[in-house]
Order: sequence, then C-alpha cells, then structure tokens
Amino acid sequence: SQTIHQWPATLVQPVGSPLSLECTVEGTSNPNLYWYRQAAGRGLQLLFYSVGIGQISSEVPQNLSASRPQDRQFILSSKKLLLSDSGFYLCAWSNGRSSYNEQFFGPGTRLTVL
Amino acid sequence: SQQGEEDPQALSIQEGENATMNCSYKTSINNLQWYRQNSGRGLVHLILIRSNEREKHSGRLRVTLDTSKKSSSLLITASRAADTASYFCATDAGTASKLTFGTGTRLQVTL
Repeated sequence: SQTIHQWPATLVQPVGSPLSLECTVEGTSNPNLYWYRQAAGRGLQLLFYSVGIGQISSEVPQNLSASRPQDRQFILSSKKLLLSDSGFYLCAWSNGRSSYNEQFFGPGTRLTVL
Repeated sequence: SQQGEEDPQALSIQEGENATMNCSYKTSINNLQWYRQNSGRGLVHLILIRSNEREKHSGRLRVTLDTSKKSSSLLITASRAADTASYFCATDAGTASKLTFGTGTRLQVTL
C-alpha cells in the first residue's frame, strides 16, 4: 500500500530564516506530487506541482520554491521566510497513470513565522 | 484561484439528521471530487463523480452533479458525531493533473 510522509509536523521559525519541508511517498512510482498551503479556516491553495523528477510547475509567484530531487521526494523551500508564509502546508500525491487524479494527502506541517 | 465555492460555509446539525453541502464551479470539468478534513489533519478522498455521471453513492454518502448548472451536492445521511469535519469539493478540469479546491463547508454534528 502507498503511504505519504511529511515532516516536521510543526515548525516555528523567525522571519528571515530559511525553510525546508520534506515530503516522501512510498509504495508507488512516478507519482504526481503537490504542495498546498491552507490558511486558517480556508480552502487549499496550490503552490507547486510536479509530474516527474526535476519538473516543477509554480502556481503562485511567491517567496517559496520547490524541488524534486528523487522520484518520490518533494521539497518545499524558502531562503528567507516572511510573516505571510505562516500556514498549514500539505503535500499530496496522485497516480500519474490515472485519468482521474484522485489525490492522497500527507498529515501536513503547521508553520508559524514569528 | 479557487474555482469551487461551497455552500453553506458552516452547518450545524444533530446526530441522525441529514447534512447537505453544495458546490458551484465555473469551468468545464472531467470530474468532481469531495474530500473531508478533520481539524489539523490532511484531506481524505471521499468520492469522485465523472462529468458524464449524475449521481453516485458510497455508504452514507450521496453525490449529485449537474454540469448544466455547474454544481454538485454532497448528502451525508444519518449523520454521526464522527462526521464532524470540513468538507471540500475539488474539480479536475483535465489540464496538467491539477485539482482546484473550493472554500469548504465546516460541518458540526452534535449529540
């Protein structure tokens, strides 16, 4: 069976510090991978998605970047965090060979920038 | 951008009652999906309905889709306290493997 991991679960960082959130998927190959951000009480905003190693599509211009160094690894980064980067970050995967794009989510990382 | 808009934003019912949530969207879709999110957790896929389907059932869930009105509804029958969560619709327009999520309905089921 497939599983998706995200870490850390919670993170408190000062403004201007760097960020690295990691997401890994097990039990599948060549998944589509996604990073979302969710503000408190709101819907999901798609930040980045990837259909293959080294292929990253950015949805929203911002202070963040993403990388996919391995097939089942997706990393969200920032060189200098802003207060507005606070939120709940969710990683998800879908079967790249399926035409239905059902997505499976990780447990999320709650980031607070102070 | 968020294509789906859920209605109502919040819903409070008693255990045993039915809960109905609605979703409207703007562009043509391949399918529409409903997800559930418990507080502080990731989303869980509930059900998918294709654009050529009008109704689908899964356990206590019933989903309808009206592509002419660009709307969908999720009905949870005989609700339980454990159904308390936020529910999101998501549309798949068939482009670039992306889903567009709505704003969500917060459902509270009380004993």
